[in-house]
Amino acid sequence: DAMVIQNPRYQVTQFGKPVTLSCSQTLNHNVMYWYQQKSSQAPKLLFHYYDKDFNNEADTPDNFQSRRPNTSFCFLDIRSPGLGDAAMYLCATSRGQGDGYTFGSGTRLTVV
Amino acid sequence: QKEVEQDPGPLSVPEGAIVSLNCTYSNSAFQYFMWYRQYSRKGPELLMYTYSSGNKEDGRFTAQVDKSSKYISLFIRDSQPSDSATYLCAMSAIRTSGSRLTFGEGTQLTVNP
Repeated sequence: DAMVIQNPRYQVTQFGKPVTLSCSQTLNHNVMYWYQQKSSQAPKLLFHYYDKDFNNEADTPDNFQSRRPNTSFCFLDIRSPGLGDAAMYLCATSRGQGDGYTFGSGTRLTVV
Repeated sequence: QKEVEQDPGPLSVPEGAIVSLNCTYSNSAFQYFMWYRQYSRKGPELLMYTYSSGNKEDGRFTAQVDKSSKYISLFIRDSQPSDSATYLCAMSAIRTSGSRLTFGEGTQLTVNP
């Protein structure tokens, strides 16, 4: 089945130690998104790629970076995770204008 | 003020009840309106999708959009225990760089057998 796959499902990292979360899609969608979701809060958009064009949200901390080496893969890099970065990180894809998103199952990040 | 406000819940209903979930919004540019269902420790899944004002029905689910009041609703008829989840409203405006969904904070629903 076509889908959005996130790895790993659970990630534990040490305070300040760089971590990378990955997302892959078999839907061939143009747009890939990274959202951060904390407990009982709305998902918060960090950035998205429209094809190769990177779009950063104004309030996304510099600590968060992203790479999209090809259509299928997108990575979220957290350079120096802090305790406040513990959250569920959701990858999503869409075809573009007004289209519904397809989400992955998320990666739950714990910072110790 | 948040762009999207969602009734926070939590909501607990008996099996078979009619459930009403609601969101209001402030951005008149929003054109696309969605409801996502999110089970615990899972990613959201698209439940209903509506463009502009009107109603849309899919089985036990009905989505309503009233753009004049900036108000959207999701109704669940004959609710089932399997409907227990967090429901997120989401909406977007037309953009050239890929649609950007703005979510409500979610309403946690529990349907009791």
